[in-house]
Amino acid sequence: DADVTQTPRNRITKTGKRIMLECSQTKGHDRMYWYRQDPGLGLRLIYYSFDVKDINKGEISDGYSVSRQAQAKFSLSLESAIPNQTALYFCATSVAITGELFFGEGSRLTVL
Amino acid sequence: GQQLNQSPQSMFIQEGEDVSMNCTSSSIFNTWLWYKQDPGEGPVLLIALYKAGELTSNGRLTAQFGITRKDSFLNISASIPSDVGIYFCAGRGGATNKLIFGTGTLLAVQP
Repeated sequence: DADVTQTPRNRITKTGKRIMLECSQTKGHDRMYWYRQDPGLGLRLIYYSFDVKDINKGEISDGYSVSRQAQAKFSLSLESAIPNQTALYFCATSVAITGELFFGEGSRLTVL
Repeated sequence: GQQLNQSPQSMFIQEGEDVSMNCTSSSIFNTWLWYKQDPGEGPVLLIALYKAGELTSNGRLTAQFGITRKDSFLNISASIPSDVGIYFCAGRGGATNKLIFGTGTLLAVQP
């Protein structure tokens, strides 16, 4: 089983719909992240959380919100999806000391 | 803001060839990480570098933390078909000390 699990793996939705992507981890890491991947743009940070009560905006947080329900769970929401939010989304975890990121398998979102 | 340039964007090589890719930064970094992403999967950490000049190997992969602390390279020796994927560098440092990613190098290996 994957240490960082994302659901759903694939989702097609329509403009204006609310979407939630969920992430759970069994690595016991405190830090969790949501990234967005677009062709030619690499990975860009949406939100990150260093602890259950800590939420921080990344470089592209507009149009997104997150919830850290527990140490092991970090969800990403799109309140009203738009087509340019079509992308591959990754959840990641890390340990504070090394900062090395461990990624989930990704959630491909298509907004029509 | 901080910029991270990764090159080349893509490489198409024959099995058995050696490969080299690099990343350069506009800022001094204190950490360089190299990841590989297989099709349909999330990135997986290959090598982590924490000191200027550090040279680290992982099987046929070798990465170095540049002495200026503004660059890093990854070499793959004797490539095989399963090396296919997208390779990302990531660096941490500068004013924000946040981890930023390069745009990736797509590697295709012809058997």
